[in-house]
Amino acid sequence: AQTVTQSQPEMSVQEAETVTLSCTYDTSESDYYLFWYKQPPSRQMILVIRQEAYKQQNATENRFSVNFQKAAKSFSLKISDSQLGDAAMYFCARLYSNYQLIWGAGTKLIIKP
Amino acid sequence: EAGVAQSPRYKIIEKRQSVAFWCNPISGHATLYWYQQILGQGPKLLIQFQNNGVVDDSQLPKDRFSAERLKGVDSTLKIQPAKLEDSAVYLCASRPQGPNTEAFFGQGTRLTVV
Repeated sequence: AQTVTQSQPEMSVQEAETVTLSCTYDTSESDYYLFWYKQPPSRQMILVIRQEAYKQQNATENRFSVNFQKAAKSFSLKISDSQLGDAAMYFCARLYSNYQLIWGAGTKLIIKP
Repeated sequence: EAGVAQSPRYKIIEKRQSVAFWCNPISGHATLYWYQQILGQGPKLLIQFQNNGVVDDSQLPKDRFSAERLKGVDSTLKIQPAKLEDSAVYLCASRPQGPNTEAFFGQGTRLTVV
């Protein structure tokens, strides 16, 4: 079965601190794409960051970065200098060769002021 | 660039009634997805279209759900008859051609079956 696993149903962090959300996946392919999406209470999914598996360099977008461990099939999201607006559900997703997107169950991120 | 449009935003129906959702993807996007998202869970793929052909509908409850994508553009998702467990948010997303492209989502339709 094609699965994406997010083992943390909920995480909380103090404002301005750093938090890491974990994600693991299964695959038999060598080239694929991984994504982190954010879903605020308004429920519209917004892309946070993407990683191409053939690139060894970890993707970075401002305060958001990933730790991509291809051998371990791990794709964690690090949020630095957490802000109140970062509070949301975060979903990890993997794109398969038939363009199917498989999603994790999500991690609810709580920012403490 | 206009985003993915979905309507209605909210719908309340009684069980055994029928309902239809509409999605207008971003112009030129080849792939269109319908997802069901139950509160507190990740999106579950119902059906994936590539242009106007179905790529995957293995998780679509075909005895009650149907979907079509006319002329490879707009799409409708129908439930007939609805059950209580169909209460969820129905998300539509579209992607342009190519692997290194993100999916763009609509705001979803929240369905409540009473």
